[in-house]
Amino acid sequence: NAGVTQTPKFQVLKTGQSMTLQCAQDMNHNSMYWYRQDPGMGLRLIYYSASEGTTDKGEVPNGYNVSRLNKREFSLRLESAAPSQTSVYFCASSVDLHQPQHFGDGTRLSIL
Amino acid sequence: QQQVKQSPQSLIVQKGGISIINCAYENTAFDYFPWYQQFPGKGPALLIAIRPDVSEKKEGRFTISFNKSAKQFSLHIMDSQPGDSATYFCAARRQMDSSYKLIFGSGTRLLVRP
Repeated sequence: NAGVTQTPKFQVLKTGQSMTLQCAQDMNHNSMYWYRQDPGMGLRLIYYSASEGTTDKGEVPNGYNVSRLNKREFSLRLESAAPSQTSVYFCASSVDLHQPQHFGDGTRLSIL
Repeated sequence: QQQVKQSPQSLIVQKGGISIINCAYENTAFDYFPWYQQFPGKGPALLIAIRPDVSEKKEGRFTISFNKSAKQFSLHIMDSQPGDSATYFCAARRQMDSSYKLIFGSGTRLLVRP
């Protein structure tokens, strides 16, 4: 019963490098989400996918791209990392947009 | 712009006491208000949630009180235990047409002393 699995757990990048964060869920959920968590800011939605084949921008999409590879997998890509993107990134999934979200344990990303 | 304001930022409670965390929102289009609990190194987990047509919801030691006219809602943890020590986030959801938003508060770090 893995739930939502995120890889890697930790990553350090240099400014300008690219990186893809991976997320997979085994709950047969239709909807998937990417958030970032910064101190004092709570969680902010970057992108979401209501169902396989669709993606939509959230609150803070600039500097990121996403791919809903299939029903299970939703990846987040940083094309040219910036120090402002240092954060903890969480992936989540839910049966649909109306249902509670289940979160992974996060990827801690530092950009120097 | 933060649409859900959460307070306090941190809270220390003695074992057996009542922990109270408050949230206020601005957008009347929000239709669902969940609370999440997060332990260090883990992702948030849904704790309890309420819809605006209900004024109170209780699940075990956890109660949400909702005041629609004041646009405020709060989490009460009765008989607080050291195992409740975590960060708590309130959130508010708005779904309109094809768009979707779940806005989180800034979090409250709760410490329950033995």
